[in-house]
Amino acid sequence: GENVEQHPSTLSVQEGDSAVIKCTYSDSASNYFPWYKQELGKRPQLIIDIRSNVGEKKDQRIAVTLNKTAKHFSLHITETQPEDSAVYFCAASIKPQAGTALIFGKGTTLSVSS
Amino acid sequence: DTAVSQTPKYLVTQMGNDKSIKCEQNLGHDTMYWYKQDSKKFLKIMFSYNNKELIINETVPNRFSPKSPDKAHLNLHINSLELGDSAVYFCASSQGASGGETQYFGPGTRLLVL
Repeated sequence: GENVEQHPSTLSVQEGDSAVIKCTYSDSASNYFPWYKQELGKRPQLIIDIRSNVGEKKDQRIAVTLNKTAKHFSLHITETQPEDSAVYFCAASIKPQAGTALIFGKGTTLSVSS
Repeated sequence: DTAVSQTPKYLVTQMGNDKSIKCEQNLGHDTMYWYKQDSKKFLKIMFSYNNKELIINETVPNRFSPKSPDKAHLNLHINSLELGDSAVYFCASSQGASGGETQYFGPGTRLLVL
């Protein structure tokens, strides 16, 4: 089945720096790759996603890139701010018969210090 | 205008008890999910339902029994609770089941088994 590896597990940056989180997946049939942000005690919130027919997507300070051949995708956050501090999860879709479920990476704890 | 809601928010119970968690979505989505987040923050898919039909059961012990009375509800009943069941359980929903639809998470139910 699908397996998603995420690195690094922790990331500390200074305010204003960029942060990059990388994920790899194993199932070439996966076609949807969302990124979720989870603040302490809160639910995962979708911040950006990318589908397999697109190589890059950007939304203000956040961008995601996808390399289908290499089966990896990355989250880039520019001009980090203290409120970006949270746990970030990458995920890949699995699609048995019908429906979509997500296989998550183990998360990256991002700390942005001012 | 809560999109995905869960009750209860917190659940503290003794080993061996039976408990239920309820989930409702008012987004008109066809597909609903249960995820478990353990103490290490690892998010794992448990079940997926599409139009009240079970489509994913990811090697979850049969002490866990989901029930979907209608498209807007997916409840989770747990029999004979064990210490290892302590976790945060998230319900989620998405429109359709063709793959690549955004999943929206509920606020989570924090289950503690003593």
